Amino acid sequence: DIQMTQSPSSLSASVGDRVTFTCRASQTINGHLNWYQQKLGKAPKLLIFAASTLQSGVPSRFSGSGSGTDFTLTINNLQPEDFGTYYCQQSFSAPPTFGPGTRVDI
Amino acid sequence: QVHLVESGGGLVKPGGSLRLSCAASGFNFSDYYMSWIRQAPGKGPEWISYISGHSLYMSYAESVKYRFAISRDNAKNSLYLEMNSLRAEDTAVYYCARDISGGRLDYWGQGTLVTSPQ
Repeated sequence: DIQMTQSPSSLSASVGDRVTFTCRASQTINGHLNWYQQKLGKAPKLLIFAASTLQSGVPSRFSGSGSGTDFTLTINNLQPEDFGTYYCQQSFSAPPTFGPGTRVDI
Repeated sequence: QVHLVESGGGLVKPGGSLRLSCAASGFNFSDYYMSWIRQAPGKGPEWISYISGHSLYMSYAESVKYRFAISRDNAKNSLYLEMNSLRAEDTAVYYCARDISGGRLDYWGQGTLVTSPQ
């Protein structure tokens, strides 16, 4: 199975900040990288797929980049509603696997 | 709009069985793969199974292989997960999700809690 790691495990930021966190796959995943946001007690929500494509309805302050094994998620102009945990996930090969998450505290 | 609602969770003794259901609406159900994902308390999500639109293809995580069975009824727009030989480590919130291209999960249900205490 492809292992996913994320850093940092948590971060604190202020409204208006730009935050970036990273995700690394244990082998190349050809850009098949998805990002999800999860708020406490809720289901994960797809934010970005194929490393950099914004899911419909997701604000443009979210962006993703990367290739090969290393990927990043950036949130510009952080908003109060952006708190939560962010997970990366590879969908290149079965089984799809998730990273351990980055918790963002506002 | 796409709507997924899971049901069937509960408290079950180790070694017991449970059947989860997921009712889908707002899209052409048979056109899509569907997946089950679970999340143990304080942990990240774990994909456990998917099924193709007409049930030709299924896949399972090693952790549930031979114990869990995924199925669907397209006439009822419903997805199922039959869980047998439950263990304490199966305790989690179980989500169904619409699956685009083998793992991109674009819509999720609200989840149903399965508890199998030690």
